[in-house]
Amino acid sequence: GQQVMQIPQYQHVQEGEDFTTYCNSSTTLSNIQWYKQRPGGHPVFLIQLVKSGEVKKQKRLTFQFGEAKKNSSLHITATQTTDVGTYFCAGGTGNQFYFGTGTSLTVIP
Amino acid sequence: DTEVTQTPKHLVMGMTNKKSLKCEQHMGHRAMYWYKQKAKKPPELMFVYSYEKLSINESVPSRFSPECPNSSLLNLHLHALQPEDSALYLCASSHPDSDWLYEQYFGPGTRLTVT
Repeated sequence: GQQVMQIPQYQHVQEGEDFTTYCNSSTTLSNIQWYKQRPGGHPVFLIQLVKSGEVKKQKRLTFQFGEAKKNSSLHITATQTTDVGTYFCAGGTGNQFYFGTGTSLTVIP
Repeated sequence: DTEVTQTPKHLVMGMTNKKSLKCEQHMGHRAMYWYKQKAKKPPELMFVYSYEKLSINESVPSRFSPECPNSSLLNLHLHALQPEDSALYLCASSHPDSDWLYEQYFGPGTRLTVT
């Protein structure tokens, strides 16, 4: 079946360092969404990418969708303690929708 | 109003009990979802309702029974659960689209423990 893998599984960074998580799907996706889940919280939508090769920015966050629409990345510049949480990519096609395995980010002050 | 509410927040039930989880949204969304999330794992899609009709059932055991009484409400009826069903149950809503083109708004979840 379809799988959406993310690497790394865990990342510890010093506050101010950059962070990147990578998302890879075994099949082509119609779109890719990114969610953030704080510890003890629920997933919160960050952004959606639809077009092949699309790049979107939200302040310190940069999102990319691969040319083949099978991979994506999220890059955070100069992390802050408020960035702590698990970042999930999620994508679907047809009747299938999967969350990626997630990357848990810890920011050390 | 961009809020999805879920009740109860916590639920402890025995394996012979029958209980229900409830979800409500007033954003005018016509798609609603149930997810199951185990600790340190991603949410797993269980059911999707689109325009109050069950459109996706991801091979979920029959001890979980969803119901969508109207466009704002979603229930999950639980019966004869197993301890391994203990998890966070998340409800979400969005505009319906067959290609998953809309963001999902999640509720805070119900933390379920089966004893």
